Amino acid sequence: GQNIDQPTEMTATEGAIVQINCTYQTSGFNGLFWYQQHAGEAPTFLSYNVLDGLEEKGRFSSFLSRSKGYSYLLLKELQMKDSASYLCAVRDNDYKLSFGAGTTVTVRA
Amino acid sequence: DARVTQTPRHKVTEMGQEVTMRCQPILGHNTVFWYRQTMMQGLELLAYFRNRAPLDDSGMPKDRFSAEMPDATLATLKIQPSEPRDSAVYFCASGLPDREAFFGQGTRLTVV
Repeated sequence: GQNIDQPTEMTATEGAIVQINCTYQTSGFNGLFWYQQHAGEAPTFLSYNVLDGLEEKGRFSSFLSRSKGYSYLLLKELQMKDSASYLCAVRDNDYKLSFGAGTTVTVRA
Repeated sequence: DARVTQTPRHKVTEMGQEVTMRCQPILGHNTVFWYRQTMMQGLELLAYFRNRAPLDDSGMPKDRFSAEMPDATLATLKIQPSEPRDSAVYFCASGLPDREAFFGQGTRLTVV
């Protein structure tokens, strides 16, 4: 099975940086994903890591350490529209995709 | 504009009734997932398919839930009989094995 942990809530100020951590335990690993979900909407894909290291996409970056079972999503230059839930998901060797409970990020002016 | 399409978007039904939710995956995607989302449990994986074959449905209550893919363009999730605790948003997602999954807009189910 898979166990995925991430903080429940985080609050940050507009223009600041926030780092959302995710730790996981899985019986087989084949990639880690981050999704964003605004209230009342579907999750949308943000980033994907399968090898160790940092992946950067504009204001968003994601890091993976497979040996530590650890990832983080870094949101830079926060904007009000970044207020959302951020979901960490792990794919196993059977391509089963399981999600953590999500981290609600609130951006304040 | 390829997207996953789910119907209906909203469903209110009485306890004991049968509910059928439908999903049209993105053309060419061979992996289809069904998730249920509630405030308490987050996104729970109910079942997933590869090339229309069920790979894992251990997340589903077997006595009342069933998931099928009659063909490559349609996935269905049925609840019979429905119960108030089934009230949730049900998401379908599709993808390719080495790529990200794309989510539909979900079916918001309320069982009264």
